[in-house]
Amino acid sequence: AQKITQTQPGMFVQEKEAVTLDCTYDTSDPSYGLFWYKQPSSGEMIFLIYQGSYDQQNATEGRYSLNFQKARKSANLVISASQLGDSAMYFCAMRGFLSGGYNKLIFGAGTRLAVHP
Amino acid sequence: GAVVSQHPSWVICKSGTSVKIECRSLDFQATTMFWYRQFPKQSLMLMATSNEGSKATYEQGVEKDKFLINHASLTLSTLTVTSAHPEDSSFYICSASIGGVAYNEQFFGPGTRLTVL
Repeated sequence: AQKITQTQPGMFVQEKEAVTLDCTYDTSDPSYGLFWYKQPSSGEMIFLIYQGSYDQQNATEGRYSLNFQKARKSANLVISASQLGDSAMYFCAMRGFLSGGYNKLIFGAGTRLAVHP
Repeated sequence: GAVVSQHPSWVICKSGTSVKIECRSLDFQATTMFWYRQFPKQSLMLMATSNEGSKATYEQGVEKDKFLINHASLTLSTLTVTSAHPEDSSFYICSASIGGVAYNEQFFGPGTRLTVL
């Protein structure tokens, strides 16, 4: 079975500083994908970044980077130079490619990030 | 591109009535659509997966006779909550994907907030 664990229910960071949101996962699939989504108070799910299990390099998208440690089964999101608009819920998610229902996304419990001025 | 809309964005109904929520992919054809439910301060839980022209696949514990899903075309899926009760009050989010085994992003709709009185 696949599982995503986010152990930080809430985090806060000072504006302009970097913050790391933790995510660990468990899967028996040899091939899988890891996603991070941002959900502001409006409710929409905003895709941030993707990491494939066979990608050699850590994914980066602007101020977002994914610290992928495959042996430790962790995929932490790093947000650099935090902005007030980064305050939101952040979800880590995983999709398996080879198991039945390969197109399903499994979400973690989420981490609420508050950016302070 | 890759815009998904939901209608309505919010709905209030009386207990015992049925509510239909539409999910549309506006600028692409979605081979697969997903329906999620999110209770306050919780994560997204997948309810069902639907492919155009075939019956939806429901997750364990989701009543298929209560949550009717119709995927009539490559751009439209509907979720009908039949005989709604207060415990069905939740945030319902759909997503759509183009399909394929490779990196296959799901594009999320803005969500529908259902309140059953």
